[in-house]
Amino acid sequence: SQQGEEDPQALSIQEGENATMNCSYKTSINNLQWYRQNSGRGLVHLILIRSNEREKHSGRLRVTLDTSKKSSSLLITASRAADTASYFCATDRSNYQLIWGAGTKLIIKP
Amino acid sequence: DGGITQSPKYLFRKEGQNVTLSCEQNLNHDAMYWYRQDPGQGLRLIYYSQIVNDFQKGDIAEGYSVSREKKESFPLTVTSAQKNPTAFYLCASRRGASGGGDTQYFGPGTRLTVL
Repeated sequence: SQQGEEDPQALSIQEGENATMNCSYKTSINNLQWYRQNSGRGLVHLILIRSNEREKHSGRLRVTLDTSKKSSSLLITASRAADTASYFCATDRSNYQLIWGAGTKLIIKP
Repeated sequence: DGGITQSPKYLFRKEGQNVTLSCEQNLNHDAMYWYRQDPGQGLRLIYYSQIVNDFQKGDIAEGYSVSREKKESFPLTVTSAQKNPTAFYLCASRRGASGGGDTQYFGPGTRLTVL
């Protein structure tokens, strides 16, 4: 079953601009993760935020979590062409499984 | 290099054939997972294994089978009972069955096409 829903489904911005993607989920979580997938490749883990955290940074990435709204956002600052990829959120489930959203496809225009 | 390898990268299957997708990891991870990804969609869990000689069905296990005889290996067989097997298959691993955190590490994927 799919829990996470990313918004928007697709996003196209100019290089150098900031990109914001959102993820909503339905049930309570222990943590939420963001992954990146380049076209036709495997997924790469970006960042994990725990339910007792509100904001986390990693380089040009900023993730926020609002458990009262059951939502998270991923901000990529000063975007680069290499950031072109699909971005997925995943929430934890029982037995160490993850539930995945359908992803946001990000295109950075040069 | 530590990581997860999947082979082959591309696989073509005729109707009625069984095919096996390979997944090997040298990360010494306990848990391994198989996902299916269809165009424009997220990942759906086929099977997972938290320890050698044990595995559980995921959300879409029908038409698939797995084995976990070695810690490093988790092959997936797509049987002829799987009616729509054309998809991108991803293998992942996670460090520990417990206490290892939830981060999963992915292989490069196998694209399966039914002819």
